[in-house]
Amino acid sequence: KQEVTQIPAALSVPEGENLVLNCSFTDSAIYNLQWFRQDPGKGLTSLLLIQSSQREQTSGRLNASLDKSSGRSTLYIAASQPGDSATYLCAVPYSGNTPLVFGKGTRLSVIA
Amino acid sequence: DTGVSQNPRHKITKRGQNVTFRCDPISEHNRLYWYRQTLGQGPEFLTYFQNEAQLEKSRLLSDRFSAERPKGSFSTLEIQRTEQGDSAMYLCASSLALSGRDGYTFGSGTRLTVV
Repeated sequence: KQEVTQIPAALSVPEGENLVLNCSFTDSAIYNLQWFRQDPGKGLTSLLLIQSSQREQTSGRLNASLDKSSGRSTLYIAASQPGDSATYLCAVPYSGNTPLVFGKGTRLSVIA
Repeated sequence: DTGVSQNPRHKITKRGQNVTFRCDPISEHNRLYWYRQTLGQGPEFLTYFQNEAQLEKSRLLSDRFSAERPKGSFSTLEIQRTEQGDSAMYLCASSLALSGRDGYTFGSGTRLTVV
């Protein structure tokens, strides 16, 4: 059974700081890993999709890495802004090509 | 294509009533997923379809929950005899399953409140 853990559960940083969000998963037989952003009361917005053969993906100020063998991924946010305040969710398939299992998320607050 | 569309956005219902939610996926996506999310938790998988076939339904929360995707396009999720514990955000997502390496696109969700 796939389990996903995200640390920390909540994080508050001043504007401009670089930060790292962590995700770990128990079953390394995954096809991909996806990071999402969720604003309060809203749906999920996909940020980055990393295939199992990749080590990292970048989009603007976001960089996600994947270490499949150790069951870990990190999301790096550079030069954080108040608009980055949201909950960030990590998700992987149960195993192989099956529906995504989510962590509980990291709630990020960037203070101006 | 404007993405995954869910209706209604909000639903308030009395306990014991039936409710139905609709999801319109991205048109070229063949997979459609339903998730439930409660406050402070990540989304919890309920069921999914590939075209019109329901491939997994064992995780539907009880026999009061059912889902259909009759023509492989839009889907509906029905909850019968609603209970206060059913209050949650119901999320729909779609993907294009070619090699299993596809990402999910989520809709904005339907917020259900059972009073």
